[in-house]
Amino acid sequence: AIQMTQSPSSLSASVGDRVTITCRASQGIGNDLGWYQQKPGKTPKVLIYAASTLQSGVPSRFSGSGSGTDFTLTISSLQPEDSATYYCLQDDSYPLAFGGGTKVEIK
Amino acid sequence: EVQLVESGGGLVQPGGSLRLSCAASGFTFSDHHIDWVRQAPGKGLEWVGRTRNKAKGYSTEYAASVKGRFTLSRDDKSVNLQMNSLETEDTAVYYCVRDYCEIPGKTAFDIWGQGTMVTVSS
Repeated sequence: AIQMTQSPSSLSASVGDRVTITCRASQGIGNDLGWYQQKPGKTPKVLIYAASTLQSGVPSRFSGSGSGTDFTLTISSLQPEDSATYYCLQDDSYPLAFGGGTKVEIK
Repeated sequence: EVQLVESGGGLVQPGGSLRLSCAASGFTFSDHHIDWVRQAPGKGLEWVGRTRNKAKGYSTEYAASVKGRFTLSRDDKSVNLQMNSLETEDTAVYYCVRDYCEIPGKTAFDIWGQGTMVTVSS
C-alpha cells in the first residue's frame, strides 16, 4: 500500500505569509493527488485535485504542484480564514490514502 | 440541494455489528462513486472504502484495516456500510463522500455528509 507522509505536522505563520506544505508518496503516483482543508468542527473541503487543478470556487491563493512522489500545497498569502488542518490524498491506487495532516495556525 | 445524509451510528460493544446508511439527494446518485472516510476523535482522516458507480457495476474496494469485516452495498438511492467484528479502533465519525471530478479517472471528494459517530466500547 502507498504511504503518504506530510510535513510539517503543524506550522504557525502570519497573515500575508507564503505557506508551503509538502506531501511525499512512498512510491510514484503520477499526479493522482488531492488536497483537502478541514476547519475545526467542519467537514473537509476539496481544494485541489490532480495535483494542481484548483476546485471550482477555491481562492486562487491556493495552488498545488508536483508529480511522482513529491507534492506541494502553497498558500501564497495566508489569510485568517485559512486556519485549518490540511490533508493530502493519493488516488492512484487502492487503498486510497490520506496524509497525516498539517495544522496551520495564524500567529 | 445536493447532499448526503448518513444514519445508523451509535454505541456498540467490541465484536458487535452496526450498519450505516448514506442517502443522497439533489443529484443522480448512480452516476458517482461513493466513498466512506472516517475520523477518530482528534485524529486525521482515514479512507475506509469505495463503491463505484452503476456503470462500473457498483464494485467495491476496502482499506486493509477493514477488509473482511466491513461490507459495502448499494442501490440507486443509497449506500450501506455493514460493519462486523467491530474493534475499539473503529471508533470514529464516519463520513459518506461523493467522488466527482471534472477530469475522468481522477478523484475529488466534493460532497461530504455531516458524519455519523460510531463508538465501540464495553
